[in-house]
Amino acid sequence: ELKVEQNPLFLSMQEGKNYTIYCNYSTTSDRLYWYRQDPGKSLESLFVLLSNGAVKQEGRLMASLDTKARLSTLHITAAVHDLSATYFCAVDFGNEKLTFGTGTRLTIIP
Amino acid sequence: AAGVIQSPRHLIKEKRETATLKCYPIPRHDTVYWYQQGPGQDPQFLISFYEKMQSDKGSIPDRFSAQQFSDYHSELNMSSLELGDSALYFCASSNLGQLNTEAFFGQGTRLTVV
Repeated sequence: ELKVEQNPLFLSMQEGKNYTIYCNYSTTSDRLYWYRQDPGKSLESLFVLLSNGAVKQEGRLMASLDTKARLSTLHITAAVHDLSATYFCAVDFGNEKLTFGTGTRLTIIP
Repeated sequence: AAGVIQSPRHLIKEKRETATLKCYPIPRHDTVYWYQQGPGQDPQFLISFYEKMQSDKGSIPDRFSAQQFSDYHSELNMSSLELGDSALYFCASSNLGQLNTEAFFGQGTRLTVV
């Protein structure tokens, strides 16, 4: 079965702190995507990771991919309130569609 | 840059009615995907089209059908609507013929069945 799991599902953190969201997937893939979704809004593409060891950074967010461990991480550095959203990872298992993780609802507390 | 356009943005229907959702992909994208996202849920894949042919099918009820037209826009037709069909419906497009492609999502259609 093709599965994508994220943890934690919910995360409250204070401004200025660092934290990591984890995304595990069930079978081989080297195409993983991170999306951000604000309540009732669309999915905004954050990162596209296409090879083992890929690391991408944008502002306070950094994403990495370890295809051997079937694991991707989204690291948040010195969180600010504007980062409050739900973050999804999604995996392309080679079947020309995206399988989404359960999402991590992130709340940044001032 | 042009994005994926969905219409309508909001739709309210009664049980047993029908609804049609439209999606206009990014120009030159050859693939369209439809996803359903219930409240507090992750997006669930419904169906996809590549070059106007259905390429994959997910957990789409038999009451739903979809097609992609010659201009690459797609329509999701939903009949005999049920309360449980209330959700956000997203369309995404990509260019599978392009290396390092990614899927871009539209703003979604919020369907409420009453």
